[in-house]
Amino acid sequence: NAGVTQTPKFQVLKTGQSMTLQCAQDMNHEYMSWYRQDPGMGLRLIHYSVGAGITDQGEVPNGYNVSRSTTEDFPLRLLSAAPSQTSVYFCASRRGPGVGSPLHFGNGTRLTVT
Amino acid sequence: KNEVEQSPQNLTAQEGEFITINCSYSVGISALHWLQQHPGGGIVSLFMLSSGKKKHGRLIATINIQEKHSSLHITASHPRDSAVYICAAQGAQKLVFGQGTRLTINP
Repeated sequence: NAGVTQTPKFQVLKTGQSMTLQCAQDMNHEYMSWYRQDPGMGLRLIHYSVGAGITDQGEVPNGYNVSRSTTEDFPLRLLSAAPSQTSVYFCASRRGPGVGSPLHFGNGTRLTVT
Repeated sequence: KNEVEQSPQNLTAQEGEFITINCSYSVGISALHWLQQHPGGGIVSLFMLSSGKKKHGRLIATINIQEKHSSLHITASHPRDSAVYICAAQGAQKLVFGQGTRLTINP
């Protein structure tokens, strides 16, 4: 099993550019989520999904878009990159939203917006 | 006040010492997660618990639901335990994360 695969590992964008961070899991997990990690702030939820076709906003959704057309994939789109979006992004999945389901994280994407 | 508070924020100890990291939360939870992140590395799940105590090797996690408090203990600490330890409170749909505890174990 590959677990949670996140690409790319590093990305540099100019202000105003758009890009998509890819996240795929092969564990048939219902729940997938995107977080950003900034120094001193801990992990913050951007968007999450409890199954194919269902997405919802987290704590810091502005400037980001998601879709969940399949169980396996949960891409995160930056619509028009801003320097404030410079961060490390993590995708995570777990079996379902209920109890008894450990988290599985991707290896992260370090994004710099200049 | 953050919904999930960890203490201490930084901890330096000598190899072999017993380590305790604390996590207090103010939200209702269905589970509490402990995660480990090595410098420049990914995030690994250590424990998920909703009551009592769990043990894995030298790591022990406990939770007191009434007091809304969880602890992570490391026995016989080793330099390879140096990492950031993060607790996360799981609600119905979302998780709320603490800011992490940076642990450094010196040989």
